[in-house]
Amino acid sequence: DADVTQTPRNRITKTGKRIMLECSQTKGHDRMYWYRQDPGLGLRLIYYSFDVKDINKGEISDGYSVSRQAQAKFSLSLESAIPNQTALYFCATSDRTGGILGAQPQHFGDGTRLSIL
Amino acid sequence: AQKVTQAQTEISVVEKEDVTLDCVYETRDTTYYLFWYKQPPSGELVFLIRRNSFDEQNEISGRYSWNFQKSTSSFNFTITASQVVDSAVYFCALSEPLGNQFYFGTGTSLTVIP
Repeated sequence: DADVTQTPRNRITKTGKRIMLECSQTKGHDRMYWYRQDPGLGLRLIYYSFDVKDINKGEISDGYSVSRQAQAKFSLSLESAIPNQTALYFCATSDRTGGILGAQPQHFGDGTRLSIL
Repeated sequence: AQKVTQAQTEISVVEKEDVTLDCVYETRDTTYYLFWYKQPPSGELVFLIRRNSFDEQNEISGRYSWNFQKSTSSFNFTITASQVVDSAVYFCALSEPLGNQFYFGTGTSLTVIP
């Protein structure tokens, strides 16, 4: 089984619908992230969370919300989807940083391809 | 502000050629971390390497090598004797000292032609 699991893998929906993308991890990491990938723009951070009580906005949080239901689960919601939110969405996790180890690499799920018509 | 630039949008090489993917970064932090990720056609993101700003030693792993130069703010990635399986999009990323956020470049799409 994958360490970072995203569901669904693909979703097609209509403008105005509420969408939830889910992410669960078995790595035991404290930190979780949501990114979107658009052609030519790389990955852009939407939200990140360092633990269940800590949620932070990223570069492009407008139009999105998140919920950290447990250490292992981090959901991304689009309250009223619009076509320019069509993208590939990635969830990622990383271990707690600090000390001599410094920043730990992020580990990504396989992505959710979301199309909004 | 942190920024990562991958000026090469697309590169095509013939199998067995060497290829270098460029990465230039900007940061005001004296301590930072640099990463390379590979995204094959299947779409997942695979971590390749992490480099700390205080360690300028180059690194080699099989056909892969990385050249980190603080003087030019560059962290370039070379694939020697490229293979078709190397075809992917490669992302360079920068992390601030606490690792709170990663800043990704826009990626370089590498195609290795058999």
